[in-house]
Amino acid sequence: GIQVEQSPPDLILQEGANSTLRCNFSDSVNNLQWFHQNPWGQLINLFYIPSGTKQNGRLSATTVATERYSLLYISSSQTTDSGVYFCAVDWSNTGKLIFGQGTTLQVKP
Amino acid sequence: GAVVSQHPSRVICKSGTSVKIECRSLDFQATTMFWYRQFPKQSLMLMATSNEGSKATYEQGVEKDKFLINHASLTLSTLTVTSAHPEDSSFYICSARDHSMNTEAFFGQGTRLTVV
Repeated sequence: GIQVEQSPPDLILQEGANSTLRCNFSDSVNNLQWFHQNPWGQLINLFYIPSGTKQNGRLSATTVATERYSLLYISSSQTTDSGVYFCAVDWSNTGKLIFGQGTTLQVKP
Repeated sequence: GAVVSQHPSRVICKSGTSVKIECRSLDFQATTMFWYRQFPKQSLMLMATSNEGSKATYEQGVEKDKFLINHASLTLSTLTVTSAHPEDSSFYICSARDHSMNTEAFFGQGTRLTVV
């Protein structure tokens, strides 16, 4: 089956710093989503980005489908950005998602 | 975005009992919903696909007789953990996608199950 790998697994930042999270996938996909899981377990949709670049405030994402990777950029990080960031891919276009292992981000004040 | 509501958010049950978890799409119809399980410090693993009006499709290694799924309407899927054991303690979370829009999936709030 398709493999989804995220890096780095853990990241510690000082408030105000920028960061880049990476998601590699082993096969062609129809859809790719980025999520932020908060401390209560809720998955917050960040981006639906099968290809191209999108921006939402301090966050932006780029997916290069032909090279099978996606990047999530966080600028001017805040303590509220802490949590686990997941990328997930839908290879069958059914809504069924395969998740990466996540990047745990800690932003220190 | 679309809203998916999951209930209960937290449940504690005794070994041997059954627990039902509900997943509702509040502002769209979903012919398909998905159930995932997440153990502490791990990623989400797909358990099964819930299909409206037909049998669920289970992923390899998931016991269909233990995790009963019913999708009786276009807005409701239920997961029943039968004869629960402590090893079934986990975070269960559902997702759905608006089948008329065919875009991103949205997730419920999740249910933290503790079996004592």
